[in-house]
Amino acid sequence: AQSVTQLGSHVSVSEGALVLLRCNYSSSVPPYLFWYVQYPNQGLQLLLKYTSAATLVKGINDFEAEFKKSETSFHLTKPSAHMSDAAEYFCAVSPSSGSARQLTFGSGTQLTVLP
Amino acid sequence: EPEVTQTPSHQVTQMGQEVILRCVPISNHLYFYWYRQILGQKVEFLVSFYNNEISEKSEIFDDQFSVERPDGSNFTLKIRSTKLEDSAMYFCASKVDRGGTEAFFGQGTRLTVV
Repeated sequence: AQSVTQLGSHVSVSEGALVLLRCNYSSSVPPYLFWYVQYPNQGLQLLLKYTSAATLVKGINDFEAEFKKSETSFHLTKPSAHMSDAAEYFCAVSPSSGSARQLTFGSGTQLTVLP
Repeated sequence: EPEVTQTPSHQVTQMGQEVILRCVPISNHLYFYWYRQILGQKVEFLVSFYNNEISEKSEIFDDQFSVERPDGSNFTLKIRSTKLEDSAMYFCASKVDRGGTEAFFGQGTRLTVV
């Protein structure tokens, strides 16, 4: 069984400020972890993924996330927020073994970037 | 860049009617999925499909739902008799394999049942 908890359904930051979106997971097998972004009226776009290689993962648009097994966390960060980062962000987990390896998503965090 | 395409983007249907949501996965992908997102809620897994059969399905995917890959390119989700609570955004996704590679999502079909 697997689950994802995203702390904070809404996060607001000022333009240029650090972005930190929190994600904790639970998985009975070693997980693969993902962050997806959803812009209004659009589909889900992959930002980055952790698949048991380097624990610090870099993604598109200067986002990165660090897998911390001891804390069961995979928080998403970006050093300097842009207005264009305003969107909903979803953390997701899939098992690293098994058949279909479907994704289990968190509830999402709506990021607002203030001018 | 290859992408997953879904049609229609928005479908309105009357309660009790059958709907078919269509998806064209990326051509060399082998695993296919449907997810749904009820407004304001999380994205939920419905079903996965591989080698022309269902691999796994969630408890949401009851007898009202079916999936099919009729012609080697399309991947469809059928809801036999729609209910109001089926109103949601439905996402199709595909993966090249079942490993760590990411799932590519379509833009979604917004289904509104009235």
